[in-house]
Amino acid sequence: EDKVVQSPLSLVVHEGDTVTLNCSYEVTNFRSLLWYKQEKKAPTFLFMLTSSGIEKKSGRLSSILDKKELFSILNITATQTGDSAIYLCAVEEPGTYKYIFGTGTRLKVLA
Amino acid sequence: GAVVSQHPSRVICKSGTSVKIECRSLDFQATTMFWYRQFPKKSLMLMATSNEGSKATYEQGVEKDKFLINHASLTLSTLTVTSAHPEDSSFYICSARGLANEQFFGPGTRLTVL
Repeated sequence: EDKVVQSPLSLVVHEGDTVTLNCSYEVTNFRSLLWYKQEKKAPTFLFMLTSSGIEKKSGRLSSILDKKELFSILNITATQTGDSAIYLCAVEEPGTYKYIFGTGTRLKVLA
Repeated sequence: GAVVSQHPSRVICKSGTSVKIECRSLDFQATTMFWYRQFPKKSLMLMATSNEGSKATYEQGVEKDKFLINHASLTLSTLTVTSAHPEDSSFYICSARGLANEQFFGPGTRLTVL
């Protein structure tokens, strides 16, 4: 049973496009949701979201959480080829320090 | 800050041998570290939670006698794959829990068992 589902599974865009990646989950009462970017090696940390409606922003990337509707989105504006990667979201399992990872969205940005 | 190292980055071994992988938090103390396994084009699968000074807790289906975890200090956890077989070939990644409960990942270890 998938508790964290990401969509789309894969996406191909051209440089300059804006993309929105989705993460929906069936976990309630969690404390945080994490977004990661994974290129050829291990994931690198992007954002931690704990509160609904508060946007986190870093350069061209931004993310927001909706705890009522149980989803989060990651936006990337003016995409570059260097944004090509797998983007993972992870939701904290209630009462633990463990995170449940989604299946990931594979993004490819063409020059 | 929040740098996690993993060693070795790549290891090739013969079937039946044991392999030890180290995970270190370089600039912070981590009471909790996690070990994941990742198959090609798949997401991260949590294997176990490593707690400093106590026994690791394993996820369902993960053999604790096969995958030995030791968290001897606040900056070091080790995963030993015992009597490795080709089906153990995978990408093993550790993470360390930060102060805000985020996880910082090491660069991963690619294990190939011949």
